[in-house]
Amino acid sequence: DAKTTQPPSMDCAEGRAANLPCNHSTISGNEYVYWYRQIHSQGPQYIIHGLKNNETNEMASLIITEDRKSSTLILPHATLRDTAVYYCIVRAGGGTASKLTFGTGTRLQVTL
Amino acid sequence: GAGVSQTPSNKVTEKGKYVELRCDPISGHTALYWYRQSLGQGPEFLIYFQGTGAADDSGLPNDRFFAVRPEGSVSTLKIQRTERGDSAVYLCASSLMAGQWDEQFFGPGTRLTVL
Repeated sequence: DAKTTQPPSMDCAEGRAANLPCNHSTISGNEYVYWYRQIHSQGPQYIIHGLKNNETNEMASLIITEDRKSSTLILPHATLRDTAVYYCIVRAGGGTASKLTFGTGTRLQVTL
Repeated sequence: GAGVSQTPSNKVTEKGKYVELRCDPISGHTALYWYRQSLGQGPEFLIYFQGTGAADDSGLPNDRFFAVRPEGSVSTLKIQRTERGDSAVYLCASSLMAGQWDEQFFGPGTRLTVL
């Protein structure tokens, strides 16, 4: 699976958009970009995933650059409950597609 | 409906002892995964099951670790001759079926402390 690089921490004011970047310059054509988050003392929670088109759901938007070497997760109106570690994961296709390879993620702190 | 549950939530044991950690996946989910998370790190893959069989056990660190899922539902992770380095949170996840785009639902984890 391709390696990802994320900033270790970010701050965001409540009500503002949180933009979390991820670099995955070695991504290959059949690999998807996934985002999970982990709130303190809980298991990770799926947020969104995409291949090459931008994606949006009720939780967030995912913007993937045209060359697919980087992406940004956008939480449009961050709340205190969005404080968590956010993991960007690139997931391979084929027989071992199912495991998730987590890095160390970005610790997002949402403040008043 | 009920999510993934794991028991016990906390387990303290002594070095050299044997432990079993249990995972109850979401009903109907055919794929089940085990991960291990050390302090300050992201979860690390251990093994996953598709039905009753282990489809990928490449993440098990050594032969002291073993997992079973005899009826394709509940799974047990077994650790023999525990070592202090085994201390971590052990996470279980399940998904409807294994695949590149399956959403994995995680349990709260079992915190294992080896003294």
